Amino acid sequence: GEDVEQSLFLSVREGDSSVINCTYTDSSSTYLYWYKQEPGAGLQLLTYIFSNMDMKQDQRLTVLLNKKDKHLSLRIADTQTGDSAIYFCAETRRPSNDYKLSFGAGTTVTVRA
Amino acid sequence: SAVISQKPSRDICQRGTSLTIQCQVDSQVTMMFWYRQQPGQSLTLIATANQGSEATYESGFVIDKFPISRPNLTFSTLTVSNMSPEDSSIYLCSVPGRVAYEQYFGPGTRLTVT
Repeated sequence: GEDVEQSLFLSVREGDSSVINCTYTDSSSTYLYWYKQEPGAGLQLLTYIFSNMDMKQDQRLTVLLNKKDKHLSLRIADTQTGDSAIYFCAETRRPSNDYKLSFGAGTTVTVRA
Repeated sequence: SAVISQKPSRDICQRGTSLTIQCQVDSQVTMMFWYRQQPGQSLTLIATANQGSEATYESGFVIDKFPISRPNLTFSTLTVSNMSPEDSSIYLCSVPGRVAYEQYFGPGTRLTVT
């Protein structure tokens, strides 16, 4: 995960908003992703954003992309206990048929009552 | 989204043995990917499996250690050969979705080598 970096831990109170941050190095990144991994489970695709977009919203999830700073964030509104998981940022690069993903180290989100 | 299943879901193996992991997808896909997630770590791509051609391996992974088969467009296997404790990981297969650039993962195979 050298090309994609994330903070390792986040603790948030139930009902508050969570913001998970990610930075990437390659300006040719085309799509950026957020995956969720619950304990003992596989990876769930939460959302993704194309590099020509600034923001994408899907229910409680808001993704913000700052291309200039190569910074991606995931905001979870009204965080619930079921949101406790590891969140991975990932990116894919050109050429356009390259589906290979590069992952960050993952941010462990703990929701406390 | 694609429905992906893997077998086995977990296994405990002795060093020096081999384990073959199966990945089944509910739709035909050209590309399938195999990733490794070592304990407490992120995911690392092992190889890309294309139907009808040899798998393409990433730096640090070789065919003798991780042979891959891709007999058709819905199925692939990854073998972890001559295992050592360092191979203890979660192995996941991944496929692109019907919508461009969506990628989905199987539930993973949790391997422990003793």
